[in-house]
Amino acid sequence: KAGVTQTPRYLIKTRGQQVTLSCSPISGHRSVSWYQQTPGQGLQFLFEYFSETQRNKGNFPGRFSGRQFSNSRSEMNVSTLELGDSALYLCASSPETGTAFFGQGTRLTVV
Amino acid sequence: GESVGLHLPTLSVQEGDNSIINCAYSNSASDYFIWYKQESGKGPQFIIDIRSNMDKRQGQRVTVLLNKTVKHLSLQIAATQPGDSAVYFCAEDHSGYSTLTFGKGTMLLVSP
Repeated sequence: KAGVTQTPRYLIKTRGQQVTLSCSPISGHRSVSWYQQTPGQGLQFLFEYFSETQRNKGNFPGRFSGRQFSNSRSEMNVSTLELGDSALYLCASSPETGTAFFGQGTRLTVV
Repeated sequence: GESVGLHLPTLSVQEGDNSIINCAYSNSASDYFIWYKQESGKGPQFIIDIRSNMDKRQGQRVTVLLNKTVKHLSLQIAATQPGDSAVYFCAEDHSGYSTLTFGKGTMLLVSP
C-alpha cells in the first residue's frame, strides 16, 4: 500500500505570496490532518478533515486554510505568507479514528 | 493549555544498551497515545501505540508503558542500534478525531 504522499517536497516563496500544498492519503483512509513543524514550536496541529468536512481546527490564524476532496485528497493554503510561516508542513492520514500515518512533509521557506 | 512534554531533550547510549524515553502528559481525558520516530528530513514514523485501558504494550524491540496515575508514558527500546538514532515524539489524542498533541521530542544518539 502506498504511503501518504505530499507535494511538492520543497517550496520557496516570497513574503506576501500564497501557497498551496497537496496531500494524498493512504488508500482507504478518510481522515487527513495537517501539522506545522518548526524548531521553536515543535509539531502543532493545524486542522483535520473527514469526508470533506473540517472536524477540528488548531490555533492558527485564518490565513491557514484547508479542504478535502471527495477522493480524500487534501490541500492546505497559506495566504499572505510571513517569514514565520517557514516550516515543515506534515500531512497525516488515518481511518475514521486511530493511528495517524505521516507523509514526508513539504519544506516551505519564506524569503 | 494542556500539553504533552518530555523530560530529556537528548539521550546518548551505546549500541546494545536498552533505552528509555519518558513523556509526561497533562490531559487526563487523553485515551490514546502514540510514539513516533523522526529521522532527519523525514516525516514522523509510527512506532507503537497504546490505549488508556492498557498499562503496557509490546512490539518488536519496543515496549510502551502507561501510568495513568501519574500521567506518564515511556518508550523502552531493547538492544538499541545505531539505526535507532532519531528524534522520538510522544503524542496524545483526546479528541477521537485523529488530532494529536505532540511533546517536544527527545533526541536519541546511539554510539557504535
